[in-house]
Amino acid sequence: ETGVTQTPRHLVMGMTNKKSLKCEQHLGHNAMYWYKQSAKKPLELMFVYNFKEQTENNSVPSRFSPECPNSSHLFLHLHTLQPEDSALYLCASRQGGGNEQFFGPGTRLTVL
Amino acid sequence: TQLLEQSPQFLSIQEGENLTVYCNSSSVFSSLQWYRQEPGEGPVLLVTVVTGGEVKKLKRLTFQFGDARKDSSLHITAAQPGDTGLYLCAGANYGGSQGNLIFGKGTKLSVKP
Repeated sequence: ETGVTQTPRHLVMGMTNKKSLKCEQHLGHNAMYWYKQSAKKPLELMFVYNFKEQTENNSVPSRFSPECPNSSHLFLHLHTLQPEDSALYLCASRQGGGNEQFFGPGTRLTVL
Repeated sequence: TQLLEQSPQFLSIQEGENLTVYCNSSSVFSSLQWYRQEPGEGPVLLVTVVTGGEVKKLKRLTFQFGDARKDSSLHITAAQPGDTGLYLCAGANYGGSQGNLIFGKGTKLSVKP
């Protein structure tokens, strides 16, 4: 695998379910990001991790819980989501010292 | 709050036509990136511009960074159906968190054969 991978690519869940999104980067980067992309809105930054430490939480509701066990892996744990949380969730990584971010293919999430 | 305004929001053209997409802000950015995103996929980095007035070319795509580092443009010559997608500009700011980007809403381009 190369670049940034995300699984699953598609997820349908009910409001009472618990699920997790996974991101893995094979680029040797040390910063990882979660973004939410909804129709007609700019990409919304959710969380930032640098060297496994969370450095930014952009006022995200607690029903989204990130986890970064190491610099290559990032998870987003989901529970009791709302239909308005349906969106494309994108993971990205960046090498420290640079500004360029490299994105995964995203997980299309639908909350029923 | 820093914002990046992209225009036009939607663009539908015929194959072979030229087009320009704009990305404007009142803020100064240390660098600016352009991405293309196809449906169901993540954004793919096309180019990064760093120096005010810089022009970069990528085959039929020409990117320019404004002299004041507040705006940028993307010009496509002789558009092809394969150019179809969502074009996003993203700025890295001096004063904010290092490495974090501000994204525009994007320009959705459709090139018809």
